[in-house]
Amino acid sequence: NAGVTQTPKFQVLKTGQSMTLQCAQDMNHEYMSWYRQDPGMGLRLIHYSVGAGITDQGEVPNGYNVSRSTTEDFPLRLLSAAPSQTSVYFCASNLAGDSYEQYFGPGTRLTVT
Amino acid sequence: GESVGLHLPTLSVQEGDNSIINCAYSNSASDYFIWYKQESGKGPQFIIDIRSNMDKRQGQRVTVLLNKTVKHLSLQIAATQPGDSAVYFCAENRNNRLAFGKGNQVVVIP
Repeated sequence: NAGVTQTPKFQVLKTGQSMTLQCAQDMNHEYMSWYRQDPGMGLRLIHYSVGAGITDQGEVPNGYNVSRSTTEDFPLRLLSAAPSQTSVYFCASNLAGDSYEQYFGPGTRLTVT
Repeated sequence: GESVGLHLPTLSVQEGDNSIINCAYSNSASDYFIWYKQESGKGPQFIIDIRSNMDKRQGQRVTVLLNKTVKHLSLQIAATQPGDSAVYFCAENRNNRLAFGKGNQVVVIP
């Protein structure tokens, strides 16, 4: 199994540009989540999904959209990038149930100028 | 892969010594806690978890202690090794979602 994969690893955008961060998992996990990580801070939840066709907002959803058309994929879209969205983005997945043990991807470093 | 760990509380520990990393949580109703390790350039990796009906759980070289009275969680690493150098995050289950702490940097001195 590849686990959780994310592309790209690095991205530089200009303010106002749009892009999609890709996330895929091959573990048949129901739950998937997107986090952002900023210097000196923990991970903050952007959006999450408990299954295909179901998404919900996390702690910091503004400026981001998600969709979950398949179990495997959970892309994160930035419709109009802003410098405040400069961050490291992590995707995670886990099985439904009592355990919240999440498996994280390697991250994407995004810089918005 | 990427990691972020600037300006974090830092614990410097001699190789072979034991490490203790502390975490205060906020929600007295939280029923589940996890410790994650994040090495430079990688995503967080699960270490150990504990439920609120327990006060101690042991893994391989790691022990998590939970004190619900003061809402405090700690991670003990026995015989710290250079590979233990990383940022460590605690997380609590809050409304069926994980809420992460800011992290603690552990630096192992050979």
